[in-house]
Amino acid sequence: NAGVTQTPKFQVLKTGQSMTLQCAQDMNHNSMYWYRQDPGMGLRLIYYSASEGTTDKGEVPNGYNVSRLNKREFSLRLESAAPSQTSVYFCASSRQPYNEQFFGPGTRLTVL
Amino acid sequence: GESVGLHLPTLSVQEGDNSIINCAYSNSASDYFIWYKQESGKGPQFIIDIRSNMDKRQGQRVTVLLNKTVKHLSLQIAATQPGDSAVYFCAGERGNNDMRFGAGTRLTVKP
Repeated sequence: NAGVTQTPKFQVLKTGQSMTLQCAQDMNHNSMYWYRQDPGMGLRLIYYSASEGTTDKGEVPNGYNVSRLNKREFSLRLESAAPSQTSVYFCASSRQPYNEQFFGPGTRLTVL
Repeated sequence: GESVGLHLPTLSVQEGDNSIINCAYSNSASDYFIWYKQESGKGPQFIIDIRSNMDKRQGQRVTVLLNKTVKHLSLQIAATQPGDSAVYFCAGERGNNDMRFGAGTRLTVKP
């Protein structure tokens, strides 16, 4: 039982490049989330998926897109990366919306 | 504007002492709160939660207190251990799937 896994762990992009961050959970959870964490700030919700087949914007969705591929997987895409998107990205899942959330280890993204 | 924040960015305690970490929130509609612990280089880990119809909830060595009158919650850690050293976040949910996190308090436990 791996919990929540994220790939890659580290990534460096140039401005304008695109990439997809992958997230998978093996706990049969209904809800999944993407957060970003910046120094001195709390986690900020980018997008969430309350259940398979639905996605909704969070607090800071601009510049991102998501896909809930199936119940296990929830990906985050940056179409045209900007330096302001340099951050640590966390994926999380929960049995129901906003019950106890289980977090992945994070992806550290740097955009030059 | 609405916010969930912490009173102090850092807290240093002696091993064996009790720790109290505080959090204030501004939105009176918040009805669910969670405390998370984040160790260096790792994702946040759930500690304990509380709903707005409760004033207190206890876990193993941890207690969360909620004061809705002054919109304040606290996390108490009994007999703090070196393994408790981490950043602690409170998070509040406004009831529409909008959860906001505070910036965190870094707890350092001195041997």
